[in-house]
Amino acid sequence: ETGVTQTPRHLVMGMTNKKSLKCEQHLGHNAMYWYKQSAKKPLELMFVYNFKEQTENNSVPSRFSPECPNSSHLFLHLHTLQPEDSALYLCASSQGYPQGGYSYEQYFGPGTRLTVT
Amino acid sequence: KQEVTQIPAALSVPEGENLVLNCSFTDSAIYNLQWFRQDPGKGLTSLLLIQSSQREQTSGRLNASLDKSSGRSTLYIAASQPGDSATYLCASYGNKLVFGAGTILRVKS
Repeated sequence: ETGVTQTPRHLVMGMTNKKSLKCEQHLGHNAMYWYKQSAKKPLELMFVYNFKEQTENNSVPSRFSPECPNSSHLFLHLHTLQPEDSALYLCASSQGYPQGGYSYEQYFGPGTRLTVT
Repeated sequence: KQEVTQIPAALSVPEGENLVLNCSFTDSAIYNLQWFRQDPGKGLTSLLLIQSSQREQTSGRLNASLDKSSGRSTLYIAASQPGDSATYLCASYGNKLVFGAGTILRVKS
């Protein structure tokens, strides 16, 4: 496996289900990100992790719970979702976290298409 | 707060035409600017990354320019092909990566 992988690629879940999205990066990066892409809206940053520590949470509802056990893996745990949470969820990674006037290119996975019924 | 705008929202051209996609951003204090391609239901494919010290980048039939002072970037596609049909996204790197809404391109054969 190379680059950034995401599983599953497609997920259909009911509002009372609990599921998890998985992201793995094979690039030796230290920062990982979750983005949400809803229909006809720009990509929105959800969470950022740098060296396994959460550095950003952009006012995401608590029904989305991220977990970063190490720098290579990132999870998004889902519970009690709403139909409006149906979207494409993209994971990305970068060598470092933007700071000190420098940013790092982000590399994206293929995404998980989530449908909440 | 950085805002990224892409014009036009959609574009339909016949095969072989040269075309320009536009991206503007409100905060010129960006580090880099990146253009992506997204096919329907798929993830993002990076096309070109322009660092803040650069003015343009080229890859094959694609050329992207960056003018930080005016807050603008353009993506030029030469001799368009039906396979170029996709959504094109620009994104500015500041403390966060901020995306535009995209331009949906359709190249007709």
